[in-house]
Amino acid sequence: DQQVKQNSPSLSVQEGRISILNCDYTNSMFDYFLWYKKYPAEGPTFLISISSIKDKNEDGRFTVFLNKSAKHLSLHIVPSQPGDSAVYFCAASGTALIFGKGTTLSVSS
Amino acid sequence: DTAVSQTPKYLVTQMGNDKSIKCEQNLGHDTMYWYKQDSKKFLKIMFSYNNKELIINETVPNRFSPKSPDKAHLNLHINSLELGDSAVYFCASSQDIVRGPAGELFFGEGSRLTVL
Repeated sequence: DQQVKQNSPSLSVQEGRISILNCDYTNSMFDYFLWYKKYPAEGPTFLISISSIKDKNEDGRFTVFLNKSAKHLSLHIVPSQPGDSAVYFCAASGTALIFGKGTTLSVSS
Repeated sequence: DTAVSQTPKYLVTQMGNDKSIKCEQNLGHDTMYWYKQDSKKFLKIMFSYNNKELIINETVPNRFSPKSPDKAHLNLHINSLELGDSAVYFCASSQDIVRGPAGELFFGEGSRLTVL
């Protein structure tokens, strides 16, 4: 039973354009959501988070949007850079962090 | 200086063997975790320890036994390895038990286990 779903396994974007990564969840009790970024042969690293009482959190080029009624969140990266190419995991805070399967973002120059 | 380090990074072994993966964190965190990333790419929590005490034990076979000699170390021992144990195992730590704003985990680089 997947409580956190990332339905797009991959996304390709040109440098300078916007990248939008999506995440859906099923448990309305989740109170915090996080995005992690992972490069090959490395562990995931924390990117940005949002509390369930907010609908937007911005940090530089990265913005996370939360739509609680739709149980949906998204990560926007503007402008996208080749160094952003990585796997992005959505996670929700329950008894432990519950992760989605990840979306592989490829940014071409 | 690596914050969360785990060894070995790669491990190839035969079915039925027993193996261990070690993890150490130098962040002074109270909580440590083991996650498993299987072939379907899901990162699934296996165990969580807070100050050497077991907090979370997900549905994991008894062949997997975590051991925390102190709060900076959380080792994973696996008995009678099976083909399905092949995965990447990630150790992680956090300042406190993951709740809300304390949700940031610091991960190790992962240990890729291949069972033949």
